[in-house]
Amino acid sequence: ETGVTQTPRHLVMGMTNKKSLKCEQHLGHNAMYWYKQSAKKPLELMFVYSLEERVENNSVPSRFSPECPNSSHLFLHLHTLQPEDSALYLCASSQDVPVLGTGSYEQYFGPGTRLTVT
Amino acid sequence: AQSVAQPEDQVNVAEGNPLTVKCTYSVSGNPYLFWYVQYPNRGLQFLLKYITGDNLVKGSYGFEAEFNKSQTSFHLKKPSALVSDSALYFCAVRDEPGGSYIPTFGRGTSLIVHP
Repeated sequence: ETGVTQTPRHLVMGMTNKKSLKCEQHLGHNAMYWYKQSAKKPLELMFVYSLEERVENNSVPSRFSPECPNSSHLFLHLHTLQPEDSALYLCASSQDVPVLGTGSYEQYFGPGTRLTVT
Repeated sequence: AQSVAQPEDQVNVAEGNPLTVKCTYSVSGNPYLFWYVQYPNRGLQFLLKYITGDNLVKGSYGFEAEFNKSQTSFHLKKPSALVSDSALYFCAVRDEPGGSYIPTFGRGTSLIVHP
């Protein structure tokens, strides 16, 4: 257990559905991240939140919409996805406070949500 | 700009033999370097990091890594491999100071330890 939980662990959705992924960290960290991990491709950073403010949006399509209501929770809202969006979606947290500068802290990852878009 | 390379997609080693997973990096300033491991159907798990100090860093599960500034490398090592070490390994780098506060990850190296 890393202290970062993600639900659901598996999700199958049609292209017209709307669903949300949830991430919760129990570590008191200040930054939270969404990553996409596809087979045969590098880890792709999607969004970063620091102290509940979005500090990075890595040219992600608008069909992915993040939400960070407090420092412990992070959501990824999904709508009208494409089959190529099928992947493992990983949430991570760290003690860093990016808006204040750089940090030396490692990231703690959740187990991921395996998303299949049909 | 910061970048990291893992030149091997896959490393095969026999159980009991030493293992090395390679990582090289490029930064403008000083590197902060990290290794993570990912077991099947799991998230990434932190193994060790180099920030400053001793070039040899020891981490979880008997792993260690050596920071080599002249060769811009941070190879992961273990003296005696176990079958249970079979997993995907990621190297990551941050450029300090003034670089991105978000680490750049390598593509990952699949380690297969044969019984």
